[in-house]
Order: sequence, then structure tokens, then C-alpha cells
Amino acid sequence: GAVVSQHPSRVICKSGTSVKIECRSLDFQATTMFWYRQFPKQSLMLMATSNEGSKATYEQGVEKDKFLINHASLTLSTLTVTSAHPEDSSFYICSASGQDRNIQYFGAGTRLSVL
Amino acid sequence: AQSVTQLGSHVSVSEGALVLLRCNYSSSVPPYLFWYVQYPNQGLQLLLKYTTGATLVKGINGFEAEFKKSETSFHLTKPSAHMSDAAEYFCAVSTGGFKTIFGAGTRLFVKA
Repeated sequence: GAVVSQHPSRVICKSGTSVKIECRSLDFQATTMFWYRQFPKQSLMLMATSNEGSKATYEQGVEKDKFLINHASLTLSTLTVTSAHPEDSSFYICSASGQDRNIQYFGAGTRLSVL
Repeated sequence: AQSVTQLGSHVSVSEGALVLLRCNYSSSVPPYLFWYVQYPNQGLQLLLKYTTGATLVKGINGFEAEFKKSETSFHLTKPSAHMSDAAEYFCAVSTGGFKTIFGAGTRLFVKA
């Protein structure tokens, strides 16, 4: 149980385009979803926390207009990287938690490469 | 505020040897503690977690960790390393604020 699916696993795009990443909880209702960014050989950096039906809470230094997060249902959250630039290239990971919000289940991650 | 310190960014062991990855945490309230493993270009997989109760926690793939409140530690061990254990390991702490704080990670190398 507690499976989180993240899609796509890898995306390459041109500078200036927008990219959408989906995160789905397959067998539980995700009260809260989290989006992380991971730079090479580093730990996970929390970008934002989203609760179903409400606006996401962004961490300090994360641009809200750059990284649009939508949590429209209890099983789906999306992260849209708008007007992507090469510096946005990174590994993005989502996670979801159910009734116990202290326990997170992670997606497999998305490798974004912006040319 | 909570924090996590993983001692040693790289650990190298021989196949069949004991694996010990160290983690110390700081938390003003009783913490939830986690160990995750990450293989290249993949997300995090939960190895084990401590919430309440028994302080020795057994996880997948033969790993276990012991919560020692007096030492504020949650070290990860495995009696005998396999080549397939080579990966990045993250210790994490979570409290009532629902945010999870991750350590910097420890890369485990297993030599044949």
C-alpha cells in the first residue's frame, strides 16, 4: 500500500517553455502533498506543501509564480515549472501523506533538463 | 526547531561486513524518525521508521535502527552488507509541524 506515482520520470524541454509534473497517490487519499527539489549529490530541499483544495505554502526563496502547484483532488497534485530556464534543471520529487501527516510516501522523481 | 546530522558523507564497507550509518537529531518534541534509501535517479524508499513504542525498529532489506533518546541518535545498521545496498541513505525527522527535515545524506559504497 501507500504508492505514489510521479510522471513523467524524465523531461527535456526548451528554455522558455512550461513543464507540468504530476504526482498521484494510487491507493490512499493524500491530505497533504509535498514538492522537493534535489541538486546533484545533495539532500532534498522542500519547495512547497499543498493541502487539497487550498493554496500551497511555499518555502522561503521559492518563487510562487515560477513553480505553480495545484492540489485539485485528494489523489493528485501538479507542479508546473513556468518559463523554464537552464537553472531550473534539477531532480524534482513529490511525496504524499495521508491521515498521519508525519509519514510521507515518495514518488520516483522527475529529472528535468532545460536546454 | 529540529535538525538532523548524518556523520560521514561517504561510508565504505566490504561485502559481508557490518553497515553502520550514523544519525543524530535535534527536536524539542518527541520526534518521528526515518531512514530512506535512494538509488540513482530514483525517489526515496522508506527503509524504516520510529514513531512510538519499541526503540529498536526493523525495516526492509535486513536494516534496523535504534532510537536512543539519551544520545539523540537513530543509527542505521545491517549485519552483513550486500553489493545491492550501495546507495544514498537519508535520515529524517518529523514532528507535529508535519515538515520532514532531511539529513545531508550518506553515500554507502560496498566493495567486493
